[in-house]
Amino acid sequence: QKEVEQNSGPLSVPEGAIASLNCTYSDRGSQSFFWYRQYSGKSPELIMSIYSNGDKEDGRFTAQLNKASQYVSLLIRDSQPSDSATYLCAVNDFGNEKLTFGTGTRLTIIP
Amino acid sequence: KAGVTQTPRYLIKTRGQQVTLSCSPISGHRSVSWYQQTPGQGLQFLFEYFSETQRNKGNFPGRFSGRQFSNSRSEMNVSTLELGDSALYLCASSPQPQDRTYGYTFGSGTRLTVV
Repeated sequence: QKEVEQNSGPLSVPEGAIASLNCTYSDRGSQSFFWYRQYSGKSPELIMSIYSNGDKEDGRFTAQLNKASQYVSLLIRDSQPSDSATYLCAVNDFGNEKLTFGTGTRLTIIP
Repeated sequence: KAGVTQTPRYLIKTRGQQVTLSCSPISGHRSVSWYQQTPGQGLQFLFEYFSETQRNKGNFPGRFSGRQFSNSRSEMNVSTLELGDSALYLCASSPQPQDRTYGYTFGSGTRLTVV
């Protein structure tokens, strides 16, 4: 079982709709969770971090964490074509002091 | 505030050669991590440095090595290059390890092609 799993997609969402990206992780010791966005040919860009159960909102983005279910998600409201990218889920276990990444979900927003 | 700077941006090397990649973290950031990104494997952790000490290492052969200098700048070296080493090598910095709110800021990467 992979440590961090994401649906590879591609996920296609109409412009203006809500895009929902999901991630599960296997290590119950994981403490912090991050969502990165990566445009083609570019490096990953941090868009959200979360470490407490529940929701965290930042503009059009909402991260949701459920440690009991070992599940973290990212919602993008009012999706824009500029949101088309690969979204990477990353998990930090401070015992190992490294980020473990999922393989990413490719999101396409359809105008 | 300058971001994470990686040099060079592109490299083409021949099998058997060695290569050194450089990373300058964001000013004030003392933790530097290196990742390899390939289409098949995604982002794989190479190693992490803090205060000139390697604190963690990923599952890569000994041909991959690194170091960190007193000014927090870091280098990674790959010796005896193989075709499979062709990848995007990303450096990331953070203020310190175990900063659970910050995450890491990535540089633009060095794209290495081994021919």
